Amino acid sequence: DTAVSQTPKYLVTQMGNDKSIKCEQNLGHDTMYWYKQDSKKFLKIMFSYNNKELIINETVPNRFSPKSPDKAHLNLHINSLELGDSAVYFCASSPRATWQGVNEQFFGPGTRLTVL
Amino acid sequence: DAKTTQPPSMDCAEGRAANLPCNHSTISGNEYVYWYRQIHSQGPQYIIHGLKNNETNEMASLIITEDRKSSTLILPHATLRDTAVYYCISLKTGANNLFFGTGTRLTVIP
Repeated sequence: DTAVSQTPKYLVTQMGNDKSIKCEQNLGHDTMYWYKQDSKKFLKIMFSYNNKELIINETVPNRFSPKSPDKAHLNLHINSLELGDSAVYFCASSPRATWQGVNEQFFGPGTRLTVL
Repeated sequence: DAKTTQPPSMDCAEGRAANLPCNHSTISGNEYVYWYRQIHSQGPQYIIHGLKNNETNEMASLIITEDRKSSTLILPHATLRDTAVYYCISLKTGANNLFFGTGTRLTVIP
């Protein structure tokens, strides 16, 4: 069974459009994340939600809005898409980080977004 | 979180041990060392983590120097499927924001 799944796998769209990427995890984890990997292959965290509450919000344009309807889902909505938004977006989940430092994050397969 | 530095690339013969070094000279006492890898076109995969003791699991071993300023990830018998970019990350206890640097691109050669 897939642990962290994302849809769609590929997304090609025009500048200015609004699109969403969905993420679901069936691991029972409390925390979910969105990462962006750009053309230079740098992987950077964008957002983190713990039990549906935003806990990390890196410097990301407010055109990006995460939505967590429940702790198993974290969707990413992007308004007014720009060329620079083209990247691979990864969703991840983890148990709550504990004092033991355990933070094993499980990543989804990625969504390749291409903005034309 | 402490900055980590890794060699950009390494080669390893199939079946041999792959030893991937990482420097984290500014690591603080409450920062763990995590290793992840990313196989081409896939999401990153957790490998192992440790604080100060050496650790071993079914995937790899992690050797941390006594002063904690560096560590080595060991894949005991590298296979072609171990070809990937390996990331060494330091992270404070209770923190969630993994920072992936440039990593080491390991190529396992037949």
